[in-house]
Amino acid sequence: TQLLEQSPQFLSIQEGENLTVYCNSSSVFSSLQWYRQEPGEGPVLLVTVVTGGEVKKLKRLTFQFGDARKDSSLHITAAQPGDTGLYLCAGAGAYNTDKLIFGTGTRLQVFP
Amino acid sequence: DTAVSQTPKYLVTQMGNDKSIKCEQNLGHDTMYWYKQDSKKFLKIMFSYNNKELIINETVPNRFSPKSPDKAHLNLHINSLELGDSAVYFCASSQGWTGNYGYTFGSGTRLTVV
Repeated sequence: TQLLEQSPQFLSIQEGENLTVYCNSSSVFSSLQWYRQEPGEGPVLLVTVVTGGEVKKLKRLTFQFGDARKDSSLHITAAQPGDTGLYLCAGAGAYNTDKLIFGTGTRLQVFP
Repeated sequence: DTAVSQTPKYLVTQMGNDKSIKCEQNLGHDTMYWYKQDSKKFLKIMFSYNNKELIINETVPNRFSPKSPDKAHLNLHINSLELGDSAVYFCASSQGWTGNYGYTFGSGTRLTVV
């Protein structure tokens, strides 16, 4: 069974701090996606990384796919209250019969 | 224009009842999904349809039956509801299969069985 473990599970920080969320698996994925979910809404796609070692930046968010395509990280610089939410990584296989496996989630709270 | 819309948003029903959740996407995507999110926020796939054809059918009770009348719609019917079915159900769609394509999710249906 493919599992994606995220750490930390919960994170409460002050505005302006930096943070990193990790997403780890023993399985190799074709690509890795990151989503943010706010209360009462569905997850919203932030980024997809497809190449081992790939780094993508989205304003203050930096995403990295591990060289072996088994893990990923999300780094937020100078967090803001608007970054508050549930962050989910999701690993994808290469075939249409493969499931998108979601990680265990990281709940981030950024206080003003 | 809502890309993936689910109805209803909230559903409270008694044990033993039968209920349906509807989902429509106007993105022209080929593939649609049903996911279940439990109280710990873990998202687990239930079903996947590609161009009206069932692709993924996870180990869910056969009380759950998806139906895709066309590639823009994927409905979920649940028979004989049980307390453990209480969760948030999300519909999603994607262009092509999972590999390089992100999912667009609906805003969810919170099902409460009493």
